[in-house]
Amino acid sequence: AQSVTQLDSQVPVFEEAPVELRCNYSSSVSVYLFWYVQYPNQGLQLLLKYLSGSTLVESINGFEAEFNKSQTSFHLRKPSVHISDTAEYFCAVSDQTGANNLFFGTGTRLTVIP
Amino acid sequence: SQTIHQWPATLVQPVGSPLSLECTVEGTSNPNLYWYRQAAGRGLQLLFYSVGIGQISSEVPQNLSASRPQDRQFILSSKKLLLSDSGFYLCAWTRHPGGTDTQYFGPGTRLTVL
Repeated sequence: AQSVTQLDSQVPVFEEAPVELRCNYSSSVSVYLFWYVQYPNQGLQLLLKYLSGSTLVESINGFEAEFNKSQTSFHLRKPSVHISDTAEYFCAVSDQTGANNLFFGTGTRLTVIP
Repeated sequence: SQTIHQWPATLVQPVGSPLSLECTVEGTSNPNLYWYRQAAGRGLQLLFYSVGIGQISSEVPQNLSASRPQDRQFILSSKKLLLSDSGFYLCAWTRHPGGTDTQYFGPGTRLTVL
């Protein structure tokens, strides 16, 4: 079985400062890794995903995440945050089999302070 | 393009009353469909998924049930709601099984059981 741990439930950060949202996973098989973002009162949207190849993946709005197999981590980073990045961020894993089921972490609420 | 709809957007129901939440997908055929529940501080919990009409898999034992009467329609039901059923219910779809596909989420239904 797979599990995902997001250690930080809330992360406040000042505008234009860097941020890292941590994600660690546990799995006995190879996994695919995802970050989803949820803006207030909305559904989730895919931010980025790692399937194979380069361990560093990027999103169109400046976020990046690096797959680290030895540390079983997939931390999300952004060098300079904007007010519009305020949202909840979910890390998720999929075990490459079955019905494309995702296992989500409990989420990290990022609050960007002006 | 594909779109996913959920209704109602919000719902307030008394304990012991029945429930029916509907999810429909447009612009694709034979999608995989998912129901998640998001409770405060608990992330997303997969409740049901379906790979085809009449095919439902349950991930968590509870007093909820799901049905897929048509290819692009997924319904979440309960005969008698509990207080613990309160939460934000999200429907999602993917094109293919196997773990790599992005899951596309609907806008969600916020259910409050009093």
